[in-house]
Formats: sequence, C-alpha cells, structure tokens
Amino acid sequence: KQEVTQIPAALSVPEGENLVLNCSFTDSAIYNLQWFRQDPGKGLTSLLLIQSSQREQTSGRLNASLDKSSGRSTLYIAASQPGDSATYLCAVNYVEAGSYQLTFGKGTKLSVIP
Amino acid sequence: NAGVTQTPKFRILKIGQSMTLQCAQDMNHNYMYWYRQDPGMGLKLIYYSVGAGITDKGEVPNGYNVSRSTTEDFPLRLELAAPSQTSVYFCASSYSIATPGQGPVTDTQYFGPGTRLTVL
Repeated sequence: KQEVTQIPAALSVPEGENLVLNCSFTDSAIYNLQWFRQDPGKGLTSLLLIQSSQREQTSGRLNASLDKSSGRSTLYIAASQPGDSATYLCAVNYVEAGSYQLTFGKGTKLSVIP
Repeated sequence: NAGVTQTPKFRILKIGQSMTLQCAQDMNHNYMYWYRQDPGMGLKLIYYSVGAGITDKGEVPNGYNVSRSTTEDFPLRLELAAPSQTSVYFCASSYSIATPGQGPVTDTQYFGPGTRLTVL
C-alpha cells in the first residue's frame, strides 16, 4: 500500500529565508505528484504538479523536484514571506487494482515569522 | 468561472440521519473526487468519477454513495450518519486523459471550500 510521509510536520523560519519541504513515498510506480497549499479553514490550492516523466517544475519562488526511483520529492521556497504561512501537502497519483488513487501526506505546517 | 462549489458549508446531523453533500464545477472537467480530511490525518479519497455515469471507490468508501448524472454535478450521500463520519469533506475536479495501459494523466486538481460535518 502506498504511504506518503512529510517531514517535518511543522517548521518555523524567519522571513527571507530559503527553505525545503520534504515528501517521500513508498511505491515508485506513480503517475504524478502534486504539491498543495492549505490555509486554515480553507480548501486546497494546487501549487505544482510533476508528471512521472519530469524531474522538476517551477512557479515563481517555488521549485518542486521529483526523484521517482528513490521515492522523494522536495518543495523549495525561496525568500520566504509571511504570506507563505500555511500547511503544505504533497499527494501521489497512481493506479491500484485498476482504480485511480490519490494518497496525501499529512502535511508540513509552515510559519514564516516577520 | 465559479470553479468548484460545495453546499452546505456546515451541517450537524444526528446519528442515523441521512444527507447529501452537493458539489458542482463549471470548468467542464471530466474527473471529480470526494475526500474527507480528519485532524492530523491528511486527506483520504472516498469516491471519484471519470465522467458522467461512471464512478469508482477510493480508499474509504464505506458509508457513502455517489452518483454522476451530469458532467457538472457530483453529490455525495450519507445514508445512516455515524459519529465516525464527522469530518471536513472536500470535492475536487480535474481534467484527465486516460492513457491505455498507463492510467490517467491527471491535470491540476481544483478544490472546493469544503463542508464541515458533525454527527452527534
């Protein structure tokens, strides 16, 4: 069974710092991996999607990498801002017994201190 | 575009009652999903649909039913509410292409704002 782990569970950094969030998964037979952001009491907002054939994706100050063979992905946030404070979730897309599945990690709660 | 909309935003049910959580999207997405999110547990997929008339189970389908009569709507029904169904429910949609032998190539998922359900 696919398991997704995110480390650390919580992270607090001063404004302006660069940071890395980690995501690992146990089964490398995935089709893609997505990073989401969730603000308190809100739904999820997709940040980046990396297809299995890709190594990385970039959007503004965000860069996500994927190493399928080792079961790892990282989300790099450059020059962090207080507005980046949120919970960040990664999720892997795969097929199990002929059915589509999307398994989420439990998230990393990021606090950026002004 | 309104994106993905969900109603109601909040609901309190008594044990054994039934209700339907509504979800609609106006992006002409073929895939739609229902998730539940419990505190500290991440999101778990309940059901999904690859198009009108086609649904399939996710990781935690027990106690729920879905239907997909149109591309736009994907309601989730709870027949006999139980305290274990207290959760926040999210609906999502995406445009995905099924590749023979490789499964769906999924585009970005768009989420609704959620429904907070309490069963007492």
